[in-house]
Amino acid sequence: AQSVTQLGSHVSVSEGALVLLRCNYSSSVPPYLFWYVQYPNQGLQLLLKYTSAATLVKGINGFEAEFKKSETSFHLTKPSAHMSDAAEYFCAVSVKRGSNYKLTFGKGTLLTVNP
Amino acid sequence: KAGVTQTPRYLIKTRGQQVTLSCSPISGHRSVSWYQQTPGQGLQFLFEYFSETQRNKGNFPGRFSGRQFSNSRSEMNVSTLELGDSALYLCASSAATGVEQYFGPGTRLTVT
Repeated sequence: AQSVTQLGSHVSVSEGALVLLRCNYSSSVPPYLFWYVQYPNQGLQLLLKYTSAATLVKGINGFEAEFKKSETSFHLTKPSAHMSDAAEYFCAVSVKRGSNYKLTFGKGTLLTVNP
Repeated sequence: KAGVTQTPRYLIKTRGQQVTLSCSPISGHRSVSWYQQTPGQGLQFLFEYFSETQRNKGNFPGRFSGRQFSNSRSEMNVSTLELGDSALYLCASSAATGVEQYFGPGTRLTVT
């Protein structure tokens, strides 16, 4: 069975600083990996996805993530944090089960951006 | 394309009542999944419907049920509500294989 571990339930950065949100996955078959963002009282918005093409994936709002198979990691980064980046971020792994896929989420990381 | 829509957005019910939530997927998407999100348990998978059939099911009691219509719209029903059912219920739609899921804004259910 697949699983996702997000290291750090809460990350706090200053505006303009580097954002690094960590995600490690476990899967016995090649996975698809995703990062979602959730703003207060809203649903989840897809930030970016890894689907076995380029290992460095660029997403919306200046975020990117790198798939490292040897480390089973898919960490999310942004060079310079903005106040509007404050939200909860979820890493997810999707693995094929029969004819369809099962999506499993990590517990989320709440990002706070300080002025 | 219009995104995933969920109605109602907010709901307050009393313990013991039942509730029905609705989800309309993105046009052309035939798979609809439901999730429960709570502060303590995070995002938990309830079930997935594809072409009017339940394709996957999570580990929830039988009080939680769903269905999908021929136009791919889906409803979720919770009977005999308990205080612990208070949560944000999220619906997600995807194409046939379900690799990539797109989420609606959710329905915030409060049980008093």
